[in-house]
Formats: sequence, C-alpha cells, structure tokens
Amino acid sequence: EIVLTQSPDTLSLSPGERATLSCRASQSVTSRYLAWYQQKPGQAPRLLIYGASSRATGIPDRFSGTDFTLTISRLEPEDFAVYYCQQYGGPPLTFGGGTKVEIK
Amino acid sequence: DVQLVESGGGLVQPGRSLTLSCAAFGFSFDNYAMYWVRQAPGKGLEWVSGINWNSGGIDYADSVKGRFTISRDNGKKSLYLQMNNLRPEDTALYYCTKAGTHYSYSSYMDVWGKGTTVIVSS
Repeated sequence: EIVLTQSPDTLSLSPGERATLSCRASQSVTSRYLAWYQQKPGQAPRLLIYGASSRATGIPDRFSGTDFTLTISRLEPEDFAVYYCQQYGGPPLTFGGGTKVEIK
Repeated sequence: DVQLVESGGGLVQPGRSLTLSCAAFGFSFDNYAMYWVRQAPGKGLEWVSGINWNSGGIDYADSVKGRFTISRDNGKKSLYLQMNNLRPEDTALYYCTKAGTHYSYSSYMDVWGKGTTVIVSS
C-alpha cells in the first residue's frame, strides 16, 4: 500500500498570501496519478486537481499542481479548508492525512 | 445534474450488519468505476472499496476485507455496500464517489455524494 504523507499538518496564512502544500509517497508513484481535494466543514470533498496538474471543471486558476505540490497563488477567504492528496496508481487507492489551511 | 445520493446509514450494534445504497443521476453509470470512501469523526479520508464498471474488478481496504461486500446494479444505476460484523471503528460518514475516467478502475474521484452516517455502538 502506498502511504501518502502531507506537510505541513496546518498552514496559517492570511488572505492574499501564497499557500504551498506537499504530498510525499512511501513508494514510487508517478505524479501523473495524483489528485487533490478540498474539504470544507460539513461538506463532501471537492476535486481540485487530477493528473498532478489538471484543474477540475470550475476550479479557479489560482489553484495549480506540479508533481506532488499544490499551490494556491493568492488565498481567498473561501480557500481556508482542509486539503487532501490521493494517489490512483493502483489499488488500494490511498489518501494523505490532510493539510488544514487556516486563517492567521 | 450529476449527482450521487447515499442512503442506508444508521445506528447499529457491534457485530450486526447494514447495507448502504447509492443512487446515481445524470451520467452513464455503467461507464465508470465507483468507490466507497469513509471519514471517521474528526479524521481524514479512507478509501474503503472500489468496483469497476462491469463488476469485473473489486477491491477492499484491509480494514474491511472479509466483512464488507461492494456491488452494483447498472440497470438501476445503483451502488451498494453490504457491511457485516460491524465494529465501533467502522463508525464514519460513508461517501459514494464516481471515478473520473471512463472504464478506468483506478482513478481520481470527480463526483461525491453528501454521505450517509454509520454509527456502530452498543
């Protein structure tokens, strides 16, 4: 099973700042099979990025992904949430433990 | 609209069984793999099980293997999760999710239901 480790656990930033979230895999997995999700309290997760860098439908371009990194270029108030990475290189599918982006 | 609607959750005693259902709307259900993902209270996401478009490929997380059974009925556009011998650690919000790519068994998840809550407690 591929274990994904996200860092940091919590990111405290102000609106307008840049957020950089990382996801590390315990075994070799191509970043082509990496996705990112956003989850707000009381809501289901929402797909942001798939294939490491492709934005899902309706996702603003301030969200970008490269390899195992998710970047939010300028944080908007609605971006404060928990973010999960997921690998789909093969079963079992696995998720990282999440990074909480909170308002500083 | 593309939508997944889960049902069947509830409070159940340890050792008992429960079956979750997921109804799919607005897409060609029989073209996509489907998954169950759960989230324990205050915790992260855990993939539970997956089934490919024609039920020819099925997998389970080690934590539920031998106790849970996933199935689908393409004619009814529905996904199911039969859960036997439930344990307190199975307490979670269970999400039904759709694979993002046609016919691919391992995929990202582009559509999520709102979830159904399972509580295992005596």
